[in-house]
Amino acid sequence: GDSVTQMEGPVTLSEEAFLTINCTYTATGYPSLFWYVQYPGEGLQLLLKATKADDKGSNKGFEATYRKETTSFHLEKGSVQVSDSAVYFCALSDQTGGSYIPTFGRGTSLIVHP
Amino acid sequence: DADVTQTPRNRITKTGKRIMLECSQTKGHDRMYWYRQDPGLGLRLIYYSFDVKDINKGEISDGYSVSRQAQAKFSLSLESAIPNQTALYFCATSDSLGQGAYGYTFGSGTRLTVV
Repeated sequence: GDSVTQMEGPVTLSEEAFLTINCTYTATGYPSLFWYVQYPGEGLQLLLKATKADDKGSNKGFEATYRKETTSFHLEKGSVQVSDSAVYFCALSDQTGGSYIPTFGRGTSLIVHP
Repeated sequence: DADVTQTPRNRITKTGKRIMLECSQTKGHDRMYWYRQDPGLGLRLIYYSFDVKDINKGEISDGYSVSRQAQAKFSLSLESAIPNQTALYFCATSDSLGQGAYGYTFGSGTRLTVV
């Protein structure tokens, strides 16, 4: 079945550091790929998405590129801020069985220090 | 008002009690979902519904039931709560036209503690 694997956290960075959170997936079809962010005490929010190979999703300085050849969708940001501290979830939505039910990774906690 | 509203935000209940968590949405989406979140386990799907007459079990439906009262309302019940159902519960919606490509909209969650 479909699966999403994220790097384990927490990832701890100083402000203005470069961020990479790795995400790889397995899927039977051609999935759409997503990153969600969960700030403390809140629900998940869609951060960015990509629907086909080589697409780059971007939002709020974050970006991720859909790499079909390596089945990856790594999240990057050039300069993190304290306000980026949150849990980040990688997810895919596949047409397997016609349901398009998303599969989520386990989440990666990011802690940014001033 | 939030697009997806969950009530209550926090709840403490006793083992064996029946409890209902409610979710309503103003997105006009057909599809609604219930997830639970546990530390280190990410999100796990409990039930989902693609329209009012459609209810489907997710990966961890045992001990839970749902009701889709209207397109905008989807409630989750714990028939007899047990301590390992202590978790953060999320309701989510999605647009069937995008077939999942547009992503989900989540509520703010209900933190349930079973003592």
